[in-house]
Amino acid sequence: GGIITQTPKFLIGQEGQKLTLKCQQNFNHDTMYWYRQDSGKGLRLIYYSITENDLQKGDLSEGYDASREKKSSFSLTVTSAQKNEMAVFLCASSGGAEQFFGPGTRLTVL
Amino acid sequence: AQKVTQTQTSISVMEKTTVTMDCVYETQDSSYFLFWYKQTASGEIVFLIRQDSYKKENATVGHYSLNFQKPKSSIGLIITATQIEDSAVYFCAMREGDNNAGAKLTFGGGTRLTVRP
Repeated sequence: GGIITQTPKFLIGQEGQKLTLKCQQNFNHDTMYWYRQDSGKGLRLIYYSITENDLQKGDLSEGYDASREKKSSFSLTVTSAQKNEMAVFLCASSGGAEQFFGPGTRLTVL
Repeated sequence: AQKVTQTQTSISVMEKTTVTMDCVYETQDSSYFLFWYKQTASGEIVFLIRQDSYKKENATVGHYSLNFQKPKSSIGLIITATQIEDSAVYFCAMREGDNNAGAKLTFGGGTRLTVRP
């Protein structure tokens, strides 16, 4: 088995601030994903990466950057935090059909 | 474009009964995969069960089973002998194609299940 860790668990930022969320996986999976989940809603894909240094946009990529410096880690940057971006950001990885999820980072923008 | 729809926003059942959660999907692909995930109150998302489009037999894992009706583009999740711990939000998801690299999931909006004692 493996595990996905996300840091930080809670992130509080100021409107307009640049914020970075980190994700690590030890499954040795090739593909990693970032999703956003608004309160009471489903998951929407922000970015994904099929291998080290690869980056693919999801449906919600505007306002975000991502970076996959190595196979085990994938970071997401909110380029300018906005109040309506308060949500949980979930990282996932996949080595086959199923995706496995991390515990999430809850973002609050003041 | 692929789309996944869960029309039931919430369901409440008595413990030890059977519940079915609905999910319909849209896809142009002949090959696709369907998944159900559970999100607990703590926010943890757990993979439950999967159906491959080319398989006619319904998948079963523990007390979870699927009702796959391909002509209707429908994949229902059935939970038998429900327990209090089954209370959660359940998400249906679809992945198109048979290439694992860069496989994207499209999620439905979720169904909140409450199991009452």
